[in-house]
Amino acid sequence: DIVMTQGALPNPVPSGESASITCQSSKSLLHSNGKTYLNWYLQRPGQSPQLLIYWMSTRASGVSDRFSGSGSGTDFTLKISSVEAEDVGVYYCQQFLEYPRTFGAGTKLELK
Amino acid sequence: EVQLVESGGSLVQPGGSLKLSCVASGFTFSNYWMDWVRQTPGKSLEWIGEINTDGSKTNYAPSIKDRFTISRDNAKSTLYLQMSNVKSDDTAIYYCTSGTYWGQGVMVTVSS
Repeated sequence: DIVMTQGALPNPVPSGESASITCQSSKSLLHSNGKTYLNWYLQRPGQSPQLLIYWMSTRASGVSDRFSGSGSGTDFTLKISSVEAEDVGVYYCQQFLEYPRTFGAGTKLELK
Repeated sequence: EVQLVESGGSLVQPGGSLKLSCVASGFTFSNYWMDWVRQTPGKSLEWIGEINTDGSKTNYAPSIKDRFTISRDNAKSTLYLQMSNVKSDDTAIYYCTSGTYWGQGVMVTVSS
C-alpha cells in the first residue's frame, strides 16, 4: 500500500497568517498521463470531510482561492493564505493512484 | 441541493451482519463512481471500497475484502454496503461519497 505521511502545524496559527501543510507519499503519484493523483480534504469539527483540491493543484468547486496545492511526485503542500476561523479542522491528503486508496493521518489546524 | 443520506447504522454483535444504505439526491447519481469511507472516532479516514457507475465493477480494501459488499441501485439512486462477519475493528462512522459529495455519516458499533 502507498503510505501517506503528513506533517504537523505549529499550532495555533495566528489569524491572517499563512499556513502550509505537508504530505509525503511512499511512491510517486505522478502518472504517465501527466496528472498527479492526490486529493486534499478538510474535515471541520463535527462535519464530514470536504474536498478542497484534486489532481494535486485543482481547487474543487466553491473552494476559496486562499487554498492552493502544489508539489512533486512524492512531496506535496497545501497552502492556506490568510487563515480564517472557518479553516479550523483536520486536513487530510489522499492518494488515488493505486488501490487501496490511502489517506494521511491528518493535520490539525487551530486558530490563535 | 446535493444530499447523500446514510442509514442503517446500529449496534451489532461480533460475527453479525448489517446493511447500510445511502440515498442520493440533487445530482445524477448514475454518472458517478461511489465510495464508502470509514472513520474510527478521533482517528483518520480509511477507504473501504468503490463501485463503478453501472455497478459492474467493485474494488475493496484488503481489511474488509470478502466480508463487505458494495452495490447500487441507480433506479433508486441508492448505494449499499453489506457488512458480514463484523469485528470490533469495524466500529466506525461510515460515509458514502463520490469524492466531491459526502454524506453525514452513520455510526456502526460492533460489540457484544
